[in-house]
Amino acid sequence: DQQVKQNSPSLSVQEGRISILNCDYTNSMFDYFLWYKKYPAEGPTFLISISSIKDKNEDGRFTVFLNKSAKHLSLHIVPSQPGDSAVYFCAAMEKGGSEKLVFGKGTKLTVNP
Amino acid sequence: NAGVMQNPRHLVRRRGQEARLRCSPMKGHSHVYWYRQLPEEGLKFMVYLQKENIIDESGMPKERFSAEFPKEGPSILRIQQVVRGDSAAYFCASSPPGGRGYEQYFGPGTRLTVT
Repeated sequence: DQQVKQNSPSLSVQEGRISILNCDYTNSMFDYFLWYKKYPAEGPTFLISISSIKDKNEDGRFTVFLNKSAKHLSLHIVPSQPGDSAVYFCAAMEKGGSEKLVFGKGTKLTVNP
Repeated sequence: NAGVMQNPRHLVRRRGQEARLRCSPMKGHSHVYWYRQLPEEGLKFMVYLQKENIIDESGMPKERFSAEFPKEGPSILRIQQVVRGDSAAYFCASSPPGGRGYEQYFGPGTRLTVT
C-alpha cells in the first residue's frame, strides 16, 4: 500500500523552462512534506519542505505547493537548469508519529540544454 | 562540518555471511535513521535510533536484521545470514536533537551485493 505516490517515473524539459513534479498521498495524518534530490551513487539531498499549515513555500528557483483537500503537492523549478537533472523524491512525515519519512518512488528529471 | 558518513560504500557478501554497515551522523546530531532502497523503488524506512535507544524499528525485518547506536562510535546496521534479496542500497540519515527530524541529512549509502 503506497502512501506516497509519484505517478510520473520520468520528466523531460528544456533548459530555462518550468519543471513541475507531482506527488499524491493517501494518509491524512501526514503533516509535513519534503522533496529530496538524488544523483546516481549519492545519497538524497534535502531540497525544500512544507508544513501542512501552509499551501506554498518558496526557496530561490524551487517552490512547493500543497493542496490538502486533494492530498496533492507539487514541486516547481523555474528556470530549469541542466544541473537539475536528477531523481526527485517526495517524502512525508506523520503528525504525532515516529520521525520516519515515507517516500515516493521518485521522478527522474532530465533538463535538456 | 562533515556530512553523514557511511562505510563501506560498497560491500559484497556471499549468501549466509554477515554484513555490517556503519554510519557516523553529522556532528551534533543524535538521531539516526536507516533506510533501504531496492532497485527502481523509493527509500523504505527501517529503523530510527537515538543514542543507546531504538525508538522505532517498525520497518526492520523480524529476523536477521538488527541495529544499534552506542554511546560512543557509529551506528551499526547488521544483517546476519544474508540472502540475495538483501542486495540493495542502504542509506543512513541523521537529524539534530530537539526537533522532529523534519530535515534528515543523508549519507552516500552502502551498496550491498549478495552473491
